[in-house]
Order: sequence, then C-alpha cells, then structure tokens
Amino acid sequence: NAGVMQNPRHLVRRRGQEARLRCSPMKGHSHVYWYRQLPEEGLKFMVYLQKENIIDESGMPKERFSAEFPKEGPSILRIQQVVRGDSAAYFCASSPSYSSPLHFGNGTRLTVT
Amino acid sequence: GQQLNQSPQSMFIQEGEDVSMNCTSSSIFNTWLWYKQDPGEGPVLLIALYKAGELTSNGRLTAQFGITRKDSFLNISASIPSDVGIYFCAGPEETSGSRLTFGEGTQLTVNP
Repeated sequence: NAGVMQNPRHLVRRRGQEARLRCSPMKGHSHVYWYRQLPEEGLKFMVYLQKENIIDESGMPKERFSAEFPKEGPSILRIQQVVRGDSAAYFCASSPSYSSPLHFGNGTRLTVT
Repeated sequence: GQQLNQSPQSMFIQEGEDVSMNCTSSSIFNTWLWYKQDPGEGPVLLIALYKAGELTSNGRLTAQFGITRKDSFLNISASIPSDVGIYFCAGPEETSGSRLTFGEGTQLTVNP
C-alpha cells in the first residue's frame, strides 16, 4: 500500500532554471496539496488541487509558480526561473476527501545555486 | 491568517521521562492535528482531534482538544530514543478547511 510518492527527493538548479516536482497521491486519493517548508519552520500551504482542477491557490506566489493535477499522471509543481529564495523542502500531501486528514510524502528538497 | 504557537520550541530529556508540549491559538479551531517529522522525511499524522474536550491516545501518546477550542496539548509517556523528531500541531483554517495552518514545531531530543 504505497504512500504519497514524491520525486525527485533532491533537486539542484541554478538560478534562472526551471524546477519540476512530481507527486503521486496515495491510491484512492483524489485531493492533492502542496506545502513549502523553510529550514527550522513549519509547513506553509501553497495550493490545493483535485483532478484537473485547481481549488485553492491562495498560498502560491503569483509569479513563476504553477501547479497541475492532470486526469492521468502525477501532480506537478513547476517553478520557473528559480531564485535562491526558492530553496526549501516542498511537500505533497493527499487525502481521499475534503475533510480527511492529510498524508504527506517525504518531500523534494530544492537547492538553488 | 490564523497562527498557531507551539511551546516549548525545543526539549532535551532523558529516556524514560514523560514529555508535554502544547499549542495555542488566538482563534478557534474545529480540528486539531498532531504530526511528527523525522529528519529528511515528511510529517506523519499521530493523532486527530475533532471535538472540544476530546482526549485521544495512540500508544504512548495522548492528546487533548482544549475546551476553549484555542489550544491542544500532546503528551508522550516513557520516552524512547525513536521519539526524537519535530512535533507539529496543525488545524484547518477557518476560511478554508482545505488549508492547514502549522505551528512552528517542538524539537524533541531524547538522551539514552
């Protein structure tokens, strides 16, 4: 019974490059969430998606960041033209329904050099 | 937005000791969640609380949902080395249940 799968676990990008983070939710879960964690801090909400729909992107920076959850395949968090301040751990979580507790993946640690 | 304040920020204890940490908010939460995060991994749900006054256990862990709905505590009894990690409280935001607000975490160190 696989949990939430994220890849890659570690990603290094130079300033200006694009970063693509992938998340496969738990089987049977159609709700996906992305959170960002800076060192020594708690997790901060970014975006909430269901299949083919963005439900809430209020935590996502207006520029350079986008997310999708297509009908087939994993959810993707895309960061264009990365800057040093984007360095963080990005966690994906999934749930079977709106009000169910979230199950988190092990994150992608993005380092921008 | 809503904020959750966790205390203490860090704890250093001996194996076998009991631990207590808490989480407070200036606004009401209808659900309280406690997560543990090990180094290099994602948070794992420990306990979920849905009702004011509720007291719930999960093995050596016990958590309570405060009657005012503005606080919660987590107790760990007879700590062991694998209890080391960061403990986060979290709750769904009032304006959107889909967004969880997380506290800043309590870092627990257990000396064998």
